[in-house]
Amino acid sequence: ETGVTQTPRHLVMGMTNKKSLKCEQHLGHNAMYWYKQSAKKPLELMFVYSLEERVENNSVPSRFSPECPNSSHLFLHLHTLQPEDSALYLCASSHRGGGDTEAFFGQGTRLTVV
Amino acid sequence: QKEVEQDPGPLSVPEGAIVSLNCTYSNSAFQYFMWYRQYSRKGPELLMYTYSSGNKEDGRFTAQVDKSSKYISLFIRDSQPSDSATYLCAMSAGSGGSYIPTFGRGTSLIVHP
Repeated sequence: ETGVTQTPRHLVMGMTNKKSLKCEQHLGHNAMYWYKQSAKKPLELMFVYSLEERVENNSVPSRFSPECPNSSHLFLHLHTLQPEDSALYLCASSHRGGGDTEAFFGQGTRLTVV
Repeated sequence: QKEVEQDPGPLSVPEGAIVSLNCTYSNSAFQYFMWYRQYSRKGPELLMYTYSSGNKEDGRFTAQVDKSSKYISLFIRDSQPSDSATYLCAMSAGSGGSYIPTFGRGTSLIVHP
């Protein structure tokens, strides 16, 4: 275990479904991230939550909606997805502030949209 | 020019070789440098973390940072087939600027027996 836990590990959903991805970190970090990783493409930052501030990549479609109820939990709500949204969705956490800022990742959720 | 450049490979080497993986960057504010290893269908795993310039060694792995050239390297000695993975570099400015890490696209490494 890396200290960052993602559920579910695998998800198959239809284009009309609504589902949510969950991430939990046990590292005492104050920043959490969602990344998308498609085959043979670099990591794409989607959203960051840190100290009640949200940073988002403006290219992320509105069918992806993040939620961060506290510093340890992060959700990604999915609705009316497209087949091109099939990818590995990675959650990460880090410490924001002076000193060590390395990010730790979960194992990811492998999403397939059919 | 991308902020972080990394050759995607693949880099194929024989078992026992010394592997050199590299990244260049353009943002002089970066101070924290990371290397991650990612096996197929898994999340990235933090391998090495360094601050500012210099070398850091951990077992068979050595990370080097040359801030004057904006160039970082990861060396793997006595490479093993189990080292076959994608290696991502990442960097951030930390408290002096953006804490959000910027990633390279990753280099695919294949170590064959």
